[in-house]
Amino acid sequence: AQSVTQLGSHVSVSEGALVLLRCNYSSSVPPYLFWYVQYPNQGLQLLLKYTSAATLVKGINGFEAEFKKSETSFHLTKPSAHMSDAAEYFCAVSDSNTGTASKLTFGTGTRLQVTL
Amino acid sequence: NAGVMQNPRHLVRRRGQEARLRCSPMKGHSHVYWYRQLPEEGLKFMVYLQKENIIDESGMPKERFSAEFPKEGPSILRIQQVVRGDSAAYFCASSGNTEAFFGQGTRLTVV
Repeated sequence: AQSVTQLGSHVSVSEGALVLLRCNYSSSVPPYLFWYVQYPNQGLQLLLKYTSAATLVKGINGFEAEFKKSETSFHLTKPSAHMSDAAEYFCAVSDSNTGTASKLTFGTGTRLQVTL
Repeated sequence: NAGVMQNPRHLVRRRGQEARLRCSPMKGHSHVYWYRQLPEEGLKFMVYLQKENIIDESGMPKERFSAEFPKEGPSILRIQQVVRGDSAAYFCASSGNTEAFFGQGTRLTVV
């Protein structure tokens, strides 16, 4: 069975500050890991994904995440927050071994607030 | 190339009625997934379908819920005799050989 834990349901940062959203996973097989962003009343948009290639993954909108097997973590970072980054962020794990999307197990989400 | 299309975006049903949620996958995608998002929670997997086949329905409630993905037309998630606890956002995702793309969801309110 797989699971995802996102520490901190709400994170608030100042505009221009570092964004760090935490994600730890549990998986009995090599995982595929994803970060999605959800704006109010919208669907989920893929930010980035890890599929066993490079451990540091760069995504859209300046976000990146690093896969650390020893820590079972896949934290999401952005050097400088922008007001438009305010949204809900979800970490997810897949048991696919082909790199294709399959059944995703999501964390409970972290709401990012960006203040002036 | 249109994205994943879900309709309706908002659906209000009285207790005991039926709800039908539709999902048209992206062109060329043959895999469809349904997820449910309860208020203040993450998305929970419900069912995975390919054309005319249910591949994995381990997340579907045992009663009142069903899903199909016919050879022609959209995938349908059907909820019979809705109860207040069914109120949630229902998201559909589709994929080909890459990651899943999500629709904007259907927000079901049971009154």
